[in-house]
Amino acid sequence: DQQVKQNSPSLSVQEGRISILNCDYTNSMFDYFLWYKKYPAEGPTFLISISSIKDKNEDGRFTVFLNKSAKHLSLHIVPSQPGDSAVYFCAAKEDAGGTSYGKLTFGQGTILTVHP
Amino acid sequence: NAGVTQTPKFRVLKTGQSMTLLCAQDMNHEYMYWYRQDPGMGLRLIHYSVGEGTTAKGEVPDGYNVSRLKKQNFLLGLESAAPSQTSVYFCASRLTGGNTEAFFGQGTRLTVV
Repeated sequence: DQQVKQNSPSLSVQEGRISILNCDYTNSMFDYFLWYKKYPAEGPTFLISISSIKDKNEDGRFTVFLNKSAKHLSLHIVPSQPGDSAVYFCAAKEDAGGTSYGKLTFGQGTILTVHP
Repeated sequence: NAGVTQTPKFRVLKTGQSMTLLCAQDMNHEYMYWYRQDPGMGLRLIHYSVGEGTTAKGEVPDGYNVSRLKKQNFLLGLESAAPSQTSVYFCASRLTGGNTEAFFGQGTRLTVV
């Protein structure tokens, strides 16, 4: 049962254009969402997050949008740069109450390639 | 400030051998996690800990054991390695279970032959 899904295994974008990475989730108990970036042979690094009480969070070139009714979030990168080429994981946190202890559940990842 | 450090970075095991992966964090985080990354599967939670002396099962715990004897260390053990445990293992830590990000180590690439 994949509670967090990234249905696009890969995305190819031209430098300077917008990259849009998508993520869908099924668990209505998720209340915090994160995006991570991963380069080969390195650990994932935190990129940006959004609380379920918001629908948008922006940090420089990166913007995350959350549509709770559709259980969908997206990461927009504008403008895209070759250095953005990496694997992007979305993650979701369950409400920290009860026995979930705020576990983070990750999607399968999307490989972004930005061409010069 | 080293963050999250994993030891070793690479290891090749024969089927049936045992080993322990060590994760150390210097950020005084309460929560620690072990994930495995496999192609097309993303990061799957093996075990986690919400504080010193506590452990809990994640999504794929079978074949693994963990211990958190000290707050800064989280050990992942494989008692009898199987080829299905060939993977890249990541340790992560978080300050709390609330709206905080997790910090990851650099990973351990394990091959079981």
